[in-house]
Amino acid sequence: AQSVTQLGSHVSVSEGALVLLRCNYSSSVPPYLFWYVQYPNQGLQLLLKYTTGATLVKGINGFEAEFKKSETSFHLTKPSAHMSDAAEYFCAVSEPGNYQLIWGAGTKLIIKP
Amino acid sequence: ETGVTQSPTHLIKTRGQQVTLRCSSQSGHNTVSWYQQALGQGPQFIFQYYREEENGRGNFPPRFSGLQFPNYSSELNVNALELDDSALYLCASSLDGFAKNIQYFGAGTRLSVL
Repeated sequence: AQSVTQLGSHVSVSEGALVLLRCNYSSSVPPYLFWYVQYPNQGLQLLLKYTTGATLVKGINGFEAEFKKSETSFHLTKPSAHMSDAAEYFCAVSEPGNYQLIWGAGTKLIIKP
Repeated sequence: ETGVTQSPTHLIKTRGQQVTLRCSSQSGHNTVSWYQQALGQGPQFIFQYYREEENGRGNFPPRFSGLQFPNYSSELNVNALELDDSALYLCASSLDGFAKNIQYFGAGTRLSVL
C-alpha cells in the first residue's frame, strides 16, 4: 500500500536561509508526486508535481523538488526563505492511472525574522 | 474562470444529526473529490465523483455519501454524526478524475460535532 512520510511536523528557518522539507514515499510502481501548500483558513494550492520526465521539478514561488527513485524521496527546497512562505506544506503521492491522492501529515514551515 | 467554492464555511452540529456540505467545481471541470482533514493531519480521501457517478471511495463508512449534479457541483452528506467527524472538509475539482491532473481546492467547511 502507498504511504507518505514527512519528516518533521514543524520546520523553523531564518528569513533568507535554505528551506528543505522532506518527503519519502512507498509505492510498488513509479508514482506521481505532488507538493501542496496550505495557508491559514485557505484551501490547498499545488506548488509542483512530478509525473514523468525530468526528475528536478520547478514550481511556483521559487520552490523546486527532485524525484530520487533510489531513495524513494521527493524533498522540497527553496534557496532563500521569505516571510510569506510561512504555511503548512503537504506531500502527496498517487499511482499512475489511479484517482486517489495519498497525503503526508504535513510540515508547518516557520520563518524567523 | 471561477474557482472552487464551498458552503457553508463553518457548521456546528450535535451527535446523531445529519449534515450536507456543498461544493461548486471550477468551470470546465467534471470531477469532484472530497477529503476530510482532521486537526494536525493530512487530508484523507473520502470519495470522488466523475460525471455524476462515484468513481472511487476511501475507507469511510456508508453514512458518508455524496452526489454530483449535471452542472458538476457536488454534495457531501454525513448521517448519524459522531464526535470524530469534527474536521475540515475539503472539496477539489479536476478534469477527468486521474490523480495526475491538478486538483483545485476550495477553502473548506469546518464542521464541529458537539
